[in-house]
Amino acid sequence: NAGVTQTPKFQVLKTGQSMTLQCAQDMNHNSMYWYRQDPGMGLRLIYYSASEGTTDKGEVPNGYNVSRLNKREFSLRLESAAPSQTSVYFCASAVWTQTGELFFGEGSRLTVL
Amino acid sequence: KQEVTQIPAALSVPEGENLVLNCSFTDSAIYNLQWFRQDPGKGLTSLLLIQSSQREQTSGRLNASLDKSSGRSTLYIAASQPGDSATYLCAVVDSGGTALIFGKGTTLSVSS
Repeated sequence: NAGVTQTPKFQVLKTGQSMTLQCAQDMNHNSMYWYRQDPGMGLRLIYYSASEGTTDKGEVPNGYNVSRLNKREFSLRLESAAPSQTSVYFCASAVWTQTGELFFGEGSRLTVL
Repeated sequence: KQEVTQIPAALSVPEGENLVLNCSFTDSAIYNLQWFRQDPGKGLTSLLLIQSSQREQTSGRLNASLDKSSGRSTLYIAASQPGDSATYLCAVVDSGGTALIFGKGTTLSVSS
């Protein structure tokens, strides 16, 4: 049981480049989330998907787009990376009809030069 | 807007000590509250989840309490060990929302 899997784990980009972070969960969860974690700022919600086919903005959505490809997969895209997007990105999933417990991936460390 | 605060930001204790980590939130209308552990360079591991109707949850040496009316939760760690050294994060879900709002965490260091 892999849980929540994120790829890649590490990435270095130049300003203006684009990339997609991939996330997949095998727990049949309805809801999926993307957070970023920065020193002194804690974890902040970028986007979430309450169910397949829906996505909503979180606290810090600017500069990002998301796609809920199917129930298992939720991707985060940076169209034109900026140094301010240097961060550690975490994907998470949960099922709210049960306990609502959140499960996290191991994180993707992104550096934008 | 829900805000979550954790005090203290950092804590250092000798091995064997019992300790309490504090979490406060501004809106008492929550769905649940979760405590997580994060080791350096790693993801978040769920420790305890307390539903809004519950007062406490226990797992091994950990006990988490919830007082919705006062907007507070505590994480009690008994007989601390060096392996407990990590950052502990508290997060709440608003009753009308579907995502967790996190505190900034308490970084715990247990010395042998």
